[in-house]
Amino acid sequence: KAGVTQTPRYLIKTRGQQVTLSCSPISGHRSVSWYQQTPGQGLQFLFEYFSETQRNKGNFPGRFSGRQFSNSRSEMNVSTLELGDSALYLCASSRDVNYGYTFGSGTRLTVV
Amino acid sequence: GQNIDQPTEMTATEGAIVQINCTYQTSGFNGLFWYQQHAGEAPTFLSYNVLDGLEEKGRFSSFLSRSKGYSYLLLKELQMKDSASYLCADMDSNYQLIWGAGTKLIIKP
Repeated sequence: KAGVTQTPRYLIKTRGQQVTLSCSPISGHRSVSWYQQTPGQGLQFLFEYFSETQRNKGNFPGRFSGRQFSNSRSEMNVSTLELGDSALYLCASSRDVNYGYTFGSGTRLTVV
Repeated sequence: GQNIDQPTEMTATEGAIVQINCTYQTSGFNGLFWYQQHAGEAPTFLSYNVLDGLEEKGRFSSFLSRSKGYSYLLLKELQMKDSASYLCADMDSNYQLIWGAGTKLIIKP
């Protein structure tokens, strides 16, 4: 059974650019959540999608957006990148809320 | 408000037992999760408690007291590979996970 797949694994971008990250959940999982992780900050919730609808949203600026497709794959977009956006971005999928979330290996974004 | 507290770092000896505590104050409650994260890797699911009491899974056990807003993760017969960060997360009334900053567990021989 394939796990949660995130692409790319590593990314280097310049300030002001935009970036799109991809997440393919485990087959049958309809919930996809995105998190930002930085040293000492823990996991910061970005948003959660369920059946193509954004169900929850964290406290991030509008530069951070996402979407989910009919096959449950999800993308996250960050526009006008800032140095502070450098982080590990993790995607997690679940069958639904009461089940454990399975994380992907993450995309490490570096903004220079 | 929403707040999850857990110790920043703990040290224990190989073969011993360690208890990692987590307290939460959340508007609404839909369960408490524990995850393990090795350096440079993604978090992996350890346990989910929604009812009071102790859930045992091999060397790892997790306890929940909803009235006290308290949970702990108990690790027995510690092994070097248990050196990792342990993340506590509370699911609020909107089914959103609120994460603690994690407890870095250092195992010494």
